[in-house]
Amino acid sequence: NAGVTQTPKFRILKIGQSMTLQCAQDMNHNYMYWYRQDPGMGLKLIYYSVGAGITDKGEVPNGYNVSRSTTEDFPLRLELAAPSQTSVYFCASSPPHREPYEQYFGPGTRLTVT
Amino acid sequence: QKEVEQDPGPLSVPEGAIVSLNCTYSNSAFQYFMWYRQYSRKGPELLMYTYSSGNKEDGRFTAQVDKSSKYISLFIRDSQPSDSATYLCAPGGDKLTFGTGTRLAVRP
Repeated sequence: NAGVTQTPKFRILKIGQSMTLQCAQDMNHNYMYWYRQDPGMGLKLIYYSVGAGITDKGEVPNGYNVSRSTTEDFPLRLELAAPSQTSVYFCASSPPHREPYEQYFGPGTRLTVT
Repeated sequence: QKEVEQDPGPLSVPEGAIVSLNCTYSNSAFQYFMWYRQYSRKGPELLMYTYSSGNKEDGRFTAQVDKSSKYISLFIRDSQPSDSATYLCAPGGDKLTFGTGTRLAVRP
């Protein structure tokens, strides 16, 4: 199993550009999450999904969109990039109905918006 | 008040030292208390977790929860340079609330 994979690893965007961060998992996990991690701020939940076709907002959803058309994929869309979105983005997944809902993380995408 | 408070460090200790990492939380609904370890430029990985108050031991690591005072601790015995990482506490349930992380450096 590859686990949770994320692409790209690094990206530099100009203000106002759009991009999609890709996330895929091959563990048949229903739950998937997107976090951002800023220095000294910990991980903040952006969006999460409990299964295909179901998504919900987390703590910091503004400026982002998600979709979940398959169990495996959970892309994160940035429509109009702003410098405040410079961060490291982590995708995670966890199996359903199996406490303690251990989350498995991908390697992250480092995004800089200038 | 933040839901989870964690001292960011950095914490620097000599090899072999006992390390104590701590968090406080405010939400009494939290059911699970996870500790994640994050090496530089990597994603977090689950180190261990506890479900209720008390201690849980796994090798050199001990996790402790005191629900009455909403206090979470992770102890590392005989610390090694390979333990140098950021440690994130994450209480919660199907969603986790992460602390800011404590950066630990173990000097050889």
